[in-house]
Amino acid sequence: GNSVTQMEGPVTLSEEAFLTINCTYTATGYPSLFWYVQYPGEGLQLLLKATKADDKGSNKGFEATYRKETTSFHLEKGSVQVSDSAVYFCALTTAGGTSYGKLTFGQGTILTVHP
Amino acid sequence: DAGITQSPRHKVTETGTPVTLRCHQTENHRYMYWYRQDPGHGLRLIHYSYGVKDTDKGEVSDGYSVSRSKTEDFLLTLESATSSQTSVYFCAISESLVYEQYFGPGTRLTVT
Repeated sequence: GNSVTQMEGPVTLSEEAFLTINCTYTATGYPSLFWYVQYPGEGLQLLLKATKADDKGSNKGFEATYRKETTSFHLEKGSVQVSDSAVYFCALTTAGGTSYGKLTFGQGTILTVHP
Repeated sequence: DAGITQSPRHKVTETGTPVTLRCHQTENHRYMYWYRQDPGHGLRLIHYSYGVKDTDKGEVSDGYSVSRSKTEDFLLTLESATSSQTSVYFCAISESLVYEQYFGPGTRLTVT
């Protein structure tokens, strides 16, 4: 079956620090990979995505590269802001079989950025 | 933002009572999903729909049923609520199996 493993949090950084949140996966077939962000009291918002090997997803200064050889999709940002404080979820989906596009999520990583 | 609404947004109910949560979309997407979010478990799929009247079970479907009589509406019913069903419930929609899913704002359900 499919699974996603994220680095454990919480992660606490100072403003303007570099951010990396590790994500590795196992999947049957060729997954599409996603990062979602959840701000307090809100639903999940799609942050970025990549649908094939070596694709780089990017949005709002965040980036992640689909690495098939290492089955990884690490999230990075060069300079975090206080407003980036949230929970970040790595997720994947595969078509075919019985998956029906079901999203498999990692456990989530809490990020807190201090001024 | 994708046009997804959930109702109610908050509900408190007693053990043994039936509860129905509604998800409404204005995007005309084919696929709809119900997830629950619990501390330590992340998000888990309850049921999903791949078309009007076409639904199937997810990984935590016991105690839940769903219905989809129109493209835009996907209902989640707890026939007899239990305290273990206290959770935050999210609806999601997608155009395709491998496309991204867009999530609604969530319903916080408390079963006392």
